[in-house]
Amino acid sequence: QQQVKQSPQSLIVQKGGISIINCAYENTAFDYFPWYQQFPGKGPALLIAIRPDVSEKKEGRFTISFNKSAKQFSLHIMDSQPGDSATYFCAATFRYYKLSFGAGTTVTVRA
Amino acid sequence: ETGVTQSPTHLIKTRGQQVTLRCSSQSGHNTVSWYQQALGQGPQFIFQYYREEENGRGNFPPRFSGLQFPNYSSELNVNALELDDSALYLCASRDRQGNYEQYFGPGTRLTVT
Repeated sequence: QQQVKQSPQSLIVQKGGISIINCAYENTAFDYFPWYQQFPGKGPALLIAIRPDVSEKKEGRFTISFNKSAKQFSLHIMDSQPGDSATYFCAATFRYYKLSFGAGTTVTVRA
Repeated sequence: ETGVTQSPTHLIKTRGQQVTLRCSSQSGHNTVSWYQQALGQGPQFIFQYYREEENGRGNFPPRFSGLQFPNYSSELNVNALELDDSALYLCASRDRQGNYEQYFGPGTRLTVT
């Protein structure tokens, strides 16, 4: 069973726009929530991560919003650029053991 | 680049055959995990090795096995290949005592015909 549900499956955004990807989880034991970026032919690369005791984390144009009571978290990509076109995965883990990934969101940024 | 390498890049096997995939972790990373990523899906955890012993397994049958060596390399072995084993196989390494980030290799694309 999928422990992390991710939506949308794909999205298209204009250059300079905002991309928003949402994830939901069930296991309240999860204590680390990373986001990965994957380009074709490459392995996933860590983009940004958050712990459940923080409601928001920002790194450059990337922001994670975390809602512990709703068991939801989201990735916002501000000022989207064509180089951001990739597949994004949310994930969750307990004590840094196995990562449980969402199904992925393919983001296309149109110039 | 993450410093994690995998070989081969691509592989084609026939159903029923056996395959060995290899991973070379970052120096000093004593924990390696293997994931299976089917087309259009997120990676699924296969198992994890710490100090050359398996210390966790996902929902994969025993025909998926692994080895970890003292030189930070590891192997994933799959016996009796099935068509559904066609996927991208990723290894990820990390230092269990340090940074919790897992560093992924580029993967091996396995096609079973």
